[in-house]
Amino acid sequence: AQTVTQSQPEMSVQEAETVTLSCTYDTSESDYYLFWYKQPPSRQMILVIRQEAYKQQNATENRFSVNFQKAAKSFSLKISDSQLGDAAMYFCAYRSEFSINTNAGKSTFGDGTTLTVKP
Amino acid sequence: KAGVTQTPRYLIKTRGQQVTLSCSPISGHRSVSWYQQTPGQGLQFLFEYFSETQRNKGNFPGRFSGRQFSNSRSEMNVSTLELGDSALYLCASSLLGQPNQPQHFGDGTRLSIL
Repeated sequence: AQTVTQSQPEMSVQEAETVTLSCTYDTSESDYYLFWYKQPPSRQMILVIRQEAYKQQNATENRFSVNFQKAAKSFSLKISDSQLGDAAMYFCAYRSEFSINTNAGKSTFGDGTTLTVKP
Repeated sequence: KAGVTQTPRYLIKTRGQQVTLSCSPISGHRSVSWYQQTPGQGLQFLFEYFSETQRNKGNFPGRFSGRQFSNSRSEMNVSTLELGDSALYLCASSLLGQPNQPQHFGDGTRLSIL
C-alpha cells in the first residue's frame, strides 16, 4: 500500500515571501500521479497542482511550482510571492495508475500542513 | 458550471441512529468518491462509485455503505452510529475516476455524534 508523509504539521510565511511544503511518499509503482490540494477554512478542497510521474519536468501553475524527485520519492510544493489568501491546510495526494479493482477513484492523502501567512 | 454539492452541511445524531448523506457531482462526472476526514486519521478513502456500481472500497466496517443513482448522484449511509463516526465527510467527483483526472471536492457534511 502506498503512504504519503507530510512532515511539517504547521508552516508560516511572511506575505510576499516564498515557502516550501514537503511531501514524501512510498510506493513500489512506477506510474502514478501526485497532487497538491488546498483546503481553506471554508472547507472546500481545491486542486493546486498536478504532476505525472512519467514527466521529468516539474509542474508549474502561476505562483505554485513543485520539485518532483522521483528517485527520492519527494514532491514538495513551492509557493512564491505568498498572499493572505494562500492561508490554508495543504494536502499532498497520490493516485496509482488506474486499476479498477483496487485503485479506482482513490487518492491517498498525507496528514496535511497548515500554512499561516503573516501580513 | 455548478460544483459538487453535498447536503446537509451539518448533522447531529446520537449513537445507534443511522444517517444518509447526499452528494451531487459536477454535471457530466460519473465517478463519485467518498472520504472521511478526522483530525486524528486525516483523509481516509471510503468507497468509489461509477455508473451505479461500487468499484472500490476502503477499510471501513459494513456499517458504511453507499449507492449511486442513474444521474450519478450518490448517497452514503452509516448505520448504528458510533461516537468515532464524528467527522467531516467529503465527496469528490471526477469525469471517469481515472488517476490522471483531478478530483473535485464538495464542501463536506460535518457529522457530529452525541
